Amino acid sequence: NAGVTQTPKFRVLKTGQSMTLLCAQDMNHEYMYWYRQDPGMGLRLIHYSVGEGTTAKGEVPDGYNVSRLKKQNFLLGLESAAPSQTSVYFCASSTPGTGVVRQPQHFGDGTRLSIL
Amino acid sequence: AQKITQTQPGMFVQEKEAVTLDCTYDTSDPSYGLFWYKQPSSGEMIFLIYQGSYDQQNATEGRYSLNFQKARKSANLVISASQLGDSAMYFCAMKEPGRRALTFGSGTRLQVQP
Repeated sequence: NAGVTQTPKFRVLKTGQSMTLLCAQDMNHEYMYWYRQDPGMGLRLIHYSVGEGTTAKGEVPDGYNVSRLKKQNFLLGLESAAPSQTSVYFCASSTPGTGVVRQPQHFGDGTRLSIL
Repeated sequence: AQKITQTQPGMFVQEKEAVTLDCTYDTSDPSYGLFWYKQPSSGEMIFLIYQGSYDQQNATEGRYSLNFQKARKSANLVISASQLGDSAMYFCAMKEPGRRALTFGSGTRLQVQP
């Protein structure tokens, strides 16, 4: 019962480098999300997807791109990493369900990313 | 304005005692959902409990219960009989119909003392 799996778990980058974070879910969820967690600020939404081939911007999308080529995968890309992107990144998924507000989001274990 | 406010950055509780973690929210939608998540030191986010705005009863899940006061826009998490394993960050979050994702509070760090 893997649920939501994020890779890698830790990464250190130099300013200007690029990388991709992978999120995979095996629950057949339609919706997937990328959040970042910074100290004292809770989680903030970067991008989300409501289905294969669709993505949309969240609260803090600048500097990130995403792709959802397969239903089970949601990729988060950093084209040119900056120190301000040092954070813990969480992927989550959920099903629309019968009640639009009722379904909980299931989270991965997070990716701790440091940009030097 | 903050959508979700958790005013207690840190809380201490003795093992086996009950503790209440505060959460107030702000929304103009009549239909919304409130969630609590636990984040232990290992980092994962664990869903604990859900309360819908139209639910007549306060939600309960084992040792977790939600003290939902709709008129006051508060949804406090009550943990009964605290255990050492309850030491963690706790986040309150809200889902509104017009928003795809959850809005999180800044969290409360709970430490259970033996």
